[in-house]
Amino acid sequence: SQTIHQWPATLVQPVGSPLSLECTVEGTSNPNLYWYRQAAGRGLQLLFYSVGIGQISSEVPQNLSASRPQDRQFILSSKKLLLSDSGFYLCAWSSSPLGQLNTEAFFGQGTRLTVV
Amino acid sequence: RKEVEQDPGPFNVPEGATVAFNCTYSNSASQSFFWYRQDCRKEPKLLMSVYSSGNEDGRFTAQLNRASQYISLLIRDSKLSDSATYLCVVNIYNQGGKLIFGQGTELSVKP
Repeated sequence: SQTIHQWPATLVQPVGSPLSLECTVEGTSNPNLYWYRQAAGRGLQLLFYSVGIGQISSEVPQNLSASRPQDRQFILSSKKLLLSDSGFYLCAWSSSPLGQLNTEAFFGQGTRLTVV
Repeated sequence: RKEVEQDPGPFNVPEGATVAFNCTYSNSASQSFFWYRQDCRKEPKLLMSVYSSGNEDGRFTAQLNRASQYISLLIRDSKLSDSATYLCVVNIYNQGGKLIFGQGTELSVKP
């Protein structure tokens, strides 16, 4: 069966420090991968999505970047965190969309980031 | 205009009530539709997919109107355990299967 791992669960970082959040998927190949952010009391905002190794689409201009060095690994990074980067970061995967409709997304348990 | 818009909520209802959530989407290339449930401080989890002909799963009924680009979720005989935020999701197939979430509608079921 497929599983998704995301870590750490909680993170407190000072303004200006770097960030690296990692997400890995097991039990599937060539997944679509996503990074979402949810600010307190707000909806999920799509930050990045990837349909393959090295293929990253950025949805909103921001202080963050994403990379996909391996098929089932997705990394969210920042060189210098801002206070506004605080939020609940969620990694998700879904099956390749080719010929597959109604494929759901599966979420990791999320990282709660507080920038102080 | 947001790609996916939901009723702002919150909805506060008594146990046993019927509650309906509405959602509209703007991208006509949207191919797949879902309702997710998110409990407080947890990750979203799939509640049900939404099929063109409408579908039902126990107390939950989902409807899709492609012409109006409208999705709905009906919860009958609501339970205390239904309290959560309900997220409308569309899959934009021609953009690599991008999943777009609505902002969510919070439901609070009271005794």
